[in-house]
Amino acid sequence: AQTVTQSQPEMSVQEAETVTLSCTYDTSENNYYLFWYKQPPSRQMILVIRQEAYKQQNATENRFSVNFQKAAKSFSLKISDSQLGDTAMYFCAFMKHSVTSGTYKYIFGTGTRLKVLA
Amino acid sequence: GAVVSQHPSWVICKSGTSVKIECRSLDFQATTMFWYRQFPKQSLMLMATSNEGSKATYEQGVEKDKFLINHASLTLSTLTVTSAHPEDSSFYICSARDPIGSNYGYTFGSGTRLTVV
Repeated sequence: AQTVTQSQPEMSVQEAETVTLSCTYDTSENNYYLFWYKQPPSRQMILVIRQEAYKQQNATENRFSVNFQKAAKSFSLKISDSQLGDTAMYFCAFMKHSVTSGTYKYIFGTGTRLKVLA
Repeated sequence: GAVVSQHPSWVICKSGTSVKIECRSLDFQATTMFWYRQFPKQSLMLMATSNEGSKATYEQGVEKDKFLINHASLTLSTLTVTSAHPEDSSFYICSARDPIGSNYGYTFGSGTRLTVV
């Protein structure tokens, strides 16, 4: 069964500094998708960044970038120039195709609570 | 971009009553929607996959008779918590994929906080 592990329950970073959130996953599939979602105190899930497993190039979205190591099954998120608004819970997610439902569905990690300090 | 509306945002009900939560795709048609449950400070756990015009697919351990899902149209899925008990108190979130939008990034509703007293 696929699993997603986030080993850092909580992290903090000074404003304007860089922080890296780790995520590892386990799967026997070759084609899949990986995501980082942000959940601020409002509880709204917000997509931060997405990576297709077949792409070797790491995805980047403004201050957010990933380090995708397919062989190691690692998918870390780097936040540069951290801002107070980045304070949130961050979930790593693996998306796989479900034979049962015939569609794609997420498996979420347990989350990392990030606090950006002023 | 794709927007998913979830209603109500919070609800308090008495033990033994039923509560209905609605999930609507506002600017796209969603043949498939998903229902998640999230306990405080925990991750999202998929409860079921809602399919338009057919029965929902429930994850292992989720009671289908307790959590009734109806996906009667391409823009609306409902989750009804029947005979609610205090242990059903939780945060429920729906999501859907815009088939024309970004590949494989599902849009989430804003969630419903259910408190059963």
